[in-house]
Amino acid sequence: AQSVAQPEDQVNVAEGNPLTVKCTYSVSGNPYLFWYVQYPNRGLQFLLKYITGDNLVKGSYGFEAEFNKSQTSFHLKKPSALVSDSALYFCAVRPLTGGGNKLTFGTGTQLKVEL
Amino acid sequence: GAVVSQHPSRVICKSGTSVKIECRSLDFQATTMFWYRQFPKQSLMLMATSNEGSKATYEQGVEKDKFLINHASLTLSTLTVTSAHPEDSSFYICSARSGRGLNQPQHFGDGTRLSIL
Repeated sequence: AQSVAQPEDQVNVAEGNPLTVKCTYSVSGNPYLFWYVQYPNRGLQFLLKYITGDNLVKGSYGFEAEFNKSQTSFHLKKPSALVSDSALYFCAVRPLTGGGNKLTFGTGTQLKVEL
Repeated sequence: GAVVSQHPSRVICKSGTSVKIECRSLDFQATTMFWYRQFPKQSLMLMATSNEGSKATYEQGVEKDKFLINHASLTLSTLTVTSAHPEDSSFYICSARSGRGLNQPQHFGDGTRLSIL
């Protein structure tokens, strides 16, 4: 069975500084990897995905993520954080084969960007 | 981009009432829709996978008679919480995938905050 770990419940960053939200995964075979963001009382918004190809994936709002197969990680990054980036971030994984339709989510990381 | 509309956004009702939540894909056809439940400060828990024209597949521990799912068209799935009780109070989120490929992202509705008094 696949699983996702987001080791940090909360990440605090000063505005203008780079941010990293960590994610590691476990899946049989190759993964499809996704990052989503959730604002209070809203659904999840898709940020970016890794399917194949370049390990560095660029997504919405200046976010990017780096797929590292040897470390089974898919950390979310942004060079310069904004206060408006403060939200709950979810990493998710789905195996290329098997696993059915299911997208498995991590427990989420609350990002707080302060002035 | 792909838009999923979920309605209502908030429901407050008395215990014993049945509540229907609608999930629509506005600009794409969704052969598969997903229903999640989210508890405060927790991740999303998949309740069921809804396939157009066939019965939904429920996750272990989710009562199919309690949470009725209907996916009658390629753009609409409904979740009915029957005879709701306070323990059913939660944030329910639907999701749809555009296209059949598993590499396609899921797009989410804005959720329904259900409060049972």
